[in-house]
Amino acid sequence: AQSVAQPEDQVNVAEGNPLTVKCTYSVSGNPYLFWYVQYPNRGLQFLLKYITGDNLVKGSYGFEAEFNKSQTSFHLKKPSALVSDSALYFCAVSGLVSTGFQKLVFGTGTRLLVSP
Amino acid sequence: DTEVTQTPKHLVMGMTNKKSLKCEQHMGHRAMYWYKQKAKKPPELMFVYSYEKLSINESVPSRFSPECPNSSLLNLHLHALQPEDSALYLCASSQETGLAANTGELFFGEGSRLTVL
Repeated sequence: AQSVAQPEDQVNVAEGNPLTVKCTYSVSGNPYLFWYVQYPNRGLQFLLKYITGDNLVKGSYGFEAEFNKSQTSFHLKKPSALVSDSALYFCAVSGLVSTGFQKLVFGTGTRLLVSP
Repeated sequence: DTEVTQTPKHLVMGMTNKKSLKCEQHMGHRAMYWYKQKAKKPPELMFVYSYEKLSINESVPSRFSPECPNSSLLNLHLHALQPEDSALYLCASSQETGLAANTGELFFGEGSRLTVL
């Protein structure tokens, strides 16, 4: 079964510093990996995805993620954090179920707090 | 228009009530989803509709009844719910279904926060 793990419940970083939110995956076959962000009382917003190709994926709001096959990781990064980046971040893996449809499986989420 | 619109934003209902959650998208997406999210937990898939037909039911209790009247609308009918059903219900859509959907992103609405008394 496809799964992702987010080992940190919360990440604290000062504004202007680089941030990393960790994600590791366990899949059979090719991994299709995603990052979504959820602001308070809001739905999820797509940030970026890795399907194939370049291991460094760039996404929305200056975020990027590095796919590392040997470490089975897909960590989310940003060179300089903003207070407005404070939110809940979900790593997710996509896989097909037996009926041939997509099922997105989310990690447990990591709360990012950026202090001024 | 890249929005998925959900109504109502908040709903409070008793265990004997019948209510519905509504979701609408005008992006021409062919797949629509219902997710349930409890506090401080990740979203969990409930149902998937593809081309207006129910494709996935993740063993959801029958007190939740989905409906897809047309390609733009998705409803979730609620009846005889329990307090533990209180959660944020998220609707999402994707452009493709099946194999192609595996690599595409989901577009989520802001959710309907349901409280069952």
